[in-house]
Amino acid sequence: NAGVMQNPRHLVRRRGQEARLRCSPMKGHSHVYWYRQLPEEGLKFMVYLQKENIIDESGMPKERFSAEFPKEGPSILRIQQVVRGDSAAYFCASAQETQYFGPGTRLLVL
Amino acid sequence: GIQVEQSPPDLILQEGANSTLRCNFSDSVNNLQWFHQNPWGQLINLFYIPSGTKQNGRLSATTVATERYSLLYISSSQTTDSGVYFCAVSFGNEKLTFGTGTRLTIIP
Repeated sequence: NAGVMQNPRHLVRRRGQEARLRCSPMKGHSHVYWYRQLPEEGLKFMVYLQKENIIDESGMPKERFSAEFPKEGPSILRIQQVVRGDSAAYFCASAQETQYFGPGTRLLVL
Repeated sequence: GIQVEQSPPDLILQEGANSTLRCNFSDSVNNLQWFHQNPWGQLINLFYIPSGTKQNGRLSATTVATERYSLLYISSSQTTDSGVYFCAVSFGNEKLTFGTGTRLTIIP
């Protein structure tokens, strides 16, 4: 698990604000996945990215959510106009063969 | 999509006991991973085991791909083993589908 970095670890937002979650994959990994974990539930896939490309966004809500993985810098998951239902833990994973997970960002929407 | 079921959903054991956690999946996979989510929410990789048997200390896992199930064995449980154990599967370099987890509580 060491090596996948996520920040911030905790984020508090008021309804209507924007949340930006960052993920730096392990060195040498070019695949990044984002998952969401609602309270007392398992992780659900959101989006799969490679550098500068979205490969699979089938788990991403159609509105307010976007993700990118630029050529330089971390992957960003952006949530616009947050609502209370967005409160969750958001995990990023990077992979070559096995997916390794970061520590997660706990988002709380007040 | 692939369905992943884990059993039992909850397990409470005395320290020192052994346990077996099961993961059933509905379709062919070539990636199966076991994770431990500790009480602080961190996801720890336990095994990458699309087939066969692996052991790591007190933990071992077996996947029978042809019968679409995997088992995680924990021997001589310790309180630090408490948490939720997830099985997750995928086919190819694709998204992982997680089971709903087994919540393990080890009582001193």
